[in-house]
Amino acid sequence: EDQVTQSPEALRLQEGESSSLNCSYTVSGLRGLFWYRQDPGKGPEFLFTLYSAGEEKEKERLKATLTKKESFLHITAPKPEDSATYLCAVQGPNDYKLSFGAGTTVTVRA
Amino acid sequence: DGGITQSPKYLFRKEGQNVTLSCEQNLNHDAMYWYRQDPGQGLRLIYYSQIVNDFQKGDIAEGYSVSREKKESFPLTVTSAQKNPTAFYLCASISPIQGNYGYTFGSGTRLTVV
Repeated sequence: EDQVTQSPEALRLQEGESSSLNCSYTVSGLRGLFWYRQDPGKGPEFLFTLYSAGEEKEKERLKATLTKKESFLHITAPKPEDSATYLCAVQGPNDYKLSFGAGTTVTVRA
Repeated sequence: DGGITQSPKYLFRKEGQNVTLSCEQNLNHDAMYWYRQDPGQGLRLIYYSQIVNDFQKGDIAEGYSVSREKKESFPLTVTSAQKNPTAFYLCASISPIQGNYGYTFGSGTRLTVV
């Protein structure tokens, strides 16, 4: 069974203070690893897909990286609008089900 | 614009009552999913459907039922057999052709038992 563990559960940052979120996963044959952003009371919003170890993707202040066992979401010089819960999910080789971690809630103070 | 519409946004259920959550998509996606989200837990899969008139149980299907009579629609019924239905429910869809974008999610329905 696919497993996804995210750490830390919560992260409080000062504006401009860079940090990283961790997503450890176990899956038999990774088809894709996904990062989503979720604002309170809303559905998750797609950020990145990573397919193979060594791959990196960037979007504004966010950068996602992937190894064979974990993925990191780096937030560089965060702003208050980056406050959200960040979800990690993996897709195994069979069909299109995703298995999700519990998320990391990031709060950025001005 | 294409997307997924969930309704209602908020729903209150009395003990012993069945309620139905609506999910409609105009993305022409084949596969649709229902997830449940509780505080401190990852999204848990309730049911999914990859084609019309076919659906499969997810990890926590007990107390829930679905139908897929049209490609665009995948309603979820929370039955009285679901003992702890208070949660945030998310509907999602995916296109096998555009699978690299993962799911497209609706905005969710928050169900509360009163």
